[in-house]
Amino acid sequence: DVKVTQSSRYLVKRTGEKVFLECVQDMDHENMFWYRQDPGLGLRLIYFSYDVKMKEKGDIPEGYSVSREKKERFSLILESASTNQTSMYLCASSRTYGYTFGSGTRLTVV
Amino acid sequence: KNEVEQSPQNLTAQEGEFITINCSYSVGISALHWLQQHPGGGIVSLFMLSSGKKKHGRLIATINIQEKHSSLHITASHPRDSAVYICAVRSGGGGADGLTFGKGTHLIIQP
Repeated sequence: DVKVTQSSRYLVKRTGEKVFLECVQDMDHENMFWYRQDPGLGLRLIYFSYDVKMKEKGDIPEGYSVSREKKERFSLILESASTNQTSMYLCASSRTYGYTFGSGTRLTVV
Repeated sequence: KNEVEQSPQNLTAQEGEFITINCSYSVGISALHWLQQHPGGGIVSLFMLSSGKKKHGRLIATINIQEKHSSLHITASHPRDSAVYICAVRSGGGGADGLTFGKGTHLIIQP
């Protein structure tokens, strides 16, 4: 069964910490995505990557960066976590049209 | 940028009822997805449509490209169908662009 795996289900971090959210897919997909989901706002695209070492900004990239050193792994980095980054973070991957989502990481910044 | 509208936002129904959730979008698309999210859970892809109709068990998804509208139907609804249902569209081709999401429909099926 194909999978997108996010390393943590729940995470609590302090304001100002550097936070890494990891996502791994086993489907050899070229495209990977990071979304955040907030009540009333739905899912919004933070960053995506269409190849190793390639990245593109999504709709809300401010305060985030990403890294894709290997095809199967796409990391989201919060350089200095802030309370307004408390959210559910979802990773997804795709090849052409089909998308597979991870289970999500609920991040709380205190 | 595509605007995706879902209705209703919230829906409470009794077990066994036929459920319809609607999705409209503003710009032509290459594919439309229906997604399901259980409380605290990740997102599961139910259907991907570019035309016509698809059926999987008690779930049916239809799309009308000319009217820019899709519907998700649940027949013989059950409490385990309680979840948030999200419509998402992709406007470009190739898969590199992300999806644009509706805000979701929160469905509760009461026994």
